[in-house]
Amino acid sequence: EAQVTQNPRYLITVTGKKLTVTCSQNMNHEYMSWYRQDPGLGLRQIYYSMNVEVTDKGDVPEGYKVSRKEKRNFPLILESPSPNQTSLYFCASSLSGSRDEQYFGPGTRLTVT
Amino acid sequence: ELKVEQNPLFLSMQEGKNYTIYCNYSTTSDRLYWYRQDPGKSLESLFVLLSNGAVKQEGRLMASLDTKARLSTLHITAAVHDLSATYFCAVDRETGNQFYFGTGTSLTVIP
Repeated sequence: EAQVTQNPRYLITVTGKKLTVTCSQNMNHEYMSWYRQDPGLGLRQIYYSMNVEVTDKGDVPEGYKVSRKEKRNFPLILESPSPNQTSLYFCASSLSGSRDEQYFGPGTRLTVT
Repeated sequence: ELKVEQNPLFLSMQEGKNYTIYCNYSTTSDRLYWYRQDPGKSLESLFVLLSNGAVKQEGRLMASLDTKARLSTLHITAAVHDLSATYFCAVDRETGNQFYFGTGTSLTVIP
């Protein structure tokens, strides 16, 4: 089944404790992206990647890191999480870029206390 | 800064009624996307509108795009309870690879 998977689905952590949210897709998509969803703000793009080793900032990259060492994986790293990063995070992928339809993962609900 | 504005933000409508959700955006873009999100779920693609004047229909939903006005509409015909969800529009720039979502319209259809 073609899908985007994320882990964990739920995470509660404390301020400053490094964490990684994994994202993997099995559709051989070139483009992958991370978004955060907050009430009243819709989804905002954090980082995106056009291909392996090619990443770029979205609208809200501060406090986040990403890497794209393999085509199928695009982990999101919070090196020192803060409470304002409490949010619902979605990973998405598309065939070749933002101009293609994106497929979304199930979401990761992160709470930073 | 690119802006994507949806209205209304909240919509409560009775079953059987018609209504339209509006999506305005501030960049030059020749395509627009509509997504649906059920409570606690991920986003599901509804429509991809690829050019000025594009119109797509699926069941009781019809989406259209006017790139000159930078406006897309999502029209709901004879609403049913199953359409209750949050609807998002999204655009990308013609150049560049960033993606921008509207704030969403939370639709509740009341029996």
